[in-house]
Amino acid sequence: DQQVKQNSPSLSVQEGRISILNCDYTNSMFDYFLWYKKYPAEGPTFLISISSIKDKNEDGRFTVFLNKSAKHLSLHIVPSQPGDSAVYFCAASGDAGGTSYGKLTFGQGTILTVHP
Amino acid sequence: NAGVTQTPKFQVLKTGQSMTLQCAQDMNHEYMSWYRQDPGMGLRLIHYSVGAGITDQGEVPNGYNVSRSTTEDFPLRLLSAAPSQTSVYFCASSYGGKTEAFFGQGTRLTVV
Repeated sequence: DQQVKQNSPSLSVQEGRISILNCDYTNSMFDYFLWYKKYPAEGPTFLISISSIKDKNEDGRFTVFLNKSAKHLSLHIVPSQPGDSAVYFCAASGDAGGTSYGKLTFGQGTILTVHP
Repeated sequence: NAGVTQTPKFQVLKTGQSMTLQCAQDMNHEYMSWYRQDPGMGLRLIHYSVGAGITDQGEVPNGYNVSRSTTEDFPLRLLSAAPSQTSVYFCASSYGGKTEAFFGQGTRLTVV
């Protein structure tokens, strides 16, 4: 039972254009969502997060959108740069007894390639 | 700042051997957790801890033990390694609540 899904295994975009990565979730207890970037042979690094009380959060070139009714979130990268080429994971957590924020549920990841 | 430190980075085990993957953090985080990453499956939670002396199971706990005697350290023990435990293991820590988790560099484990 995959509670967080990233249905696109890969995405290829041209440098300077927008990259849009998508993520769907099924567990309505999730109320905190994160995006991580991962380079080969390294650990995931945090990019941006959003709480369910908001529908948008921006940090520089990165914007995360949350549609609670559709249980869908997306990460927009504008403009895309070759250094953004990596695997992107969305993750979710929720409050089911006070300690569940320590538990992240991850999607399968999307490989983003930005061509010069 | 060291952040989250995992040792070793690489390990090869024979089936049936035991070993401990080490994880230490210097950020005074209460929450620590272990994940494994397998191809096409993202990261899956093995065990987590919300403070010294408190641990709980994640999604895939079988074959692994943990304990948390200090805030800084959260070792993961493989009791009797099996080829199905071949994976990349990541340790993470966070302040708790709605905050981001910081990950270590990972341990690539191969069981033959």
